[in-house]
Amino acid sequence: GAGVSQTPSNKVTEKGKYVELRCDPISGHTALYWYRQSLGQGPEFLIYFQGTGAADDSGLPNDRFFAVRPEGSVSTLKIQRTERGDSAVYLCASSPTSGGTLNEQFFGPGTRLTVL
Amino acid sequence: DAKTTQPNSMESNEEEPVHLPCNHSTISGTDYIHWYRQLPSQGPEYVIHGLTSNVNNRMASLAIAEDRKSSTLILHRATLRDAAVYYCILRTSYSGAGSYQLTFGKGTKLSVIP
Repeated sequence: GAGVSQTPSNKVTEKGKYVELRCDPISGHTALYWYRQSLGQGPEFLIYFQGTGAADDSGLPNDRFFAVRPEGSVSTLKIQRTERGDSAVYLCASSPTSGGTLNEQFFGPGTRLTVL
Repeated sequence: DAKTTQPNSMESNEEEPVHLPCNHSTISGTDYIHWYRQLPSQGPEYVIHGLTSNVNNRMASLAIAEDRKSSTLILHRATLRDAAVYYCILRTSYSGAGSYQLTFGKGTKLSVIP
């Protein structure tokens, strides 16, 4: 079946611009996560959705970052006034159910964001 | 989540077994040991997880020390497709722990030599 998809695969923008990154999770998965991965590092948690609500946004670095999941499926990560330090691969993952701490997370291929 | 320590890199010859170590001396009784791997230009993928007993699946085996302060991911016959960064991650089973996100370290970069 279809896995997690992310669009675009690559995004180049200029400093100060606004960007949106999209994640399509596996159908039926209620949990959705966003991570950010800088070069040579492991992914870092940004935000977690359970259904439509952001259950944990403690990983968002500042108020320029925001994410939504209005219908409990597709999610959009929004970055305002981009800075060069925002350049990274943004990964999305989904998981089948809400309460399982041990549920496997299924990752998308990521969106590579480059801020010039 | 408790901290894990892994070697930065390892090499293996193709079709040889590979043992990837992970130290987690501060592991708590509610922590499960998970392994994910990340192939080049892809997102991470789940490999295996365990609590106390050794575990086997189609991808790998997980050997857990009796005191649970260390574990080893075993690839029985490395192939070129196994070249990836392997992450050892502790996840608590405590239901009040929050959002269940994965806390990645830098992992071990495995190179497979033909």
